Amino acid sequence: KQEVTQIPAALSVPEGENLVLNCSFTDSAIYNLQWFRQDPGKGLTSLLLIQSSQREQTSGRLNASLDKSSGRSTLYIAASQPGDSATYLCAARTGTASKLTFGTGTRLQVTL
Amino acid sequence: EPEVTQTPSHQVTQMGQEVILHCVPISNHLYFYWYRQILGQKVEFLVSFYNNEISEKSEIFDDQFSVERPDGSNFTLKIRSTKLEDSAMYFCASKGTSAAGELFFGEGSRLTVL
Repeated sequence: KQEVTQIPAALSVPEGENLVLNCSFTDSAIYNLQWFRQDPGKGLTSLLLIQSSQREQTSGRLNASLDKSSGRSTLYIAASQPGDSATYLCAARTGTASKLTFGTGTRLQVTL
Repeated sequence: EPEVTQTPSHQVTQMGQEVILHCVPISNHLYFYWYRQILGQKVEFLVSFYNNEISEKSEIFDDQFSVERPDGSNFTLKIRSTKLEDSAMYFCASKGTSAAGELFFGEGSRLTVL
């Protein structure tokens, strides 16, 4: 059974800093991994989808990496802004299953 | 930009009542899902739907739950007899024509069971 863990649970950084959010998964037979952003009381906004055959995906200031052998993915946010403050979730699709298994999220606060 | 639309945004109901949550997935998407998030907890998978039938469901999705795609645009989740522990945010999601594709979520329907 796939388990997804995100560390740290919360992170506070000053504006302008580069930061890395971590996601670990127990079953390396993942099909793909998706990163989401969730604002308080809101839905999930897809940020990046990285397929199992890929090592990296980039969108603007965001870069996601995937290392299946070590069971890890990272989300790198460059030059953080207060508007980046949100909870970031990673979710893995494993094997032939269609569902995503979510981590508990990292709550990010970017301060002025 | 196409989006997944959910109604109602918030529903309050009494324990034992039936609730139907509505979703309009992105047009031309073929894969449909319901997830839920109890306050402060992980987002949990409930059910996936493809080709007019349930393709996968979790242990949470017991006989009290059902899904339906009554027409070409709507996708509903029915809870037959709500319990206090059904209180959560329910998210609908859809995916395009590829099983490997990106999943898009709606804004959620908050269900409060009293």
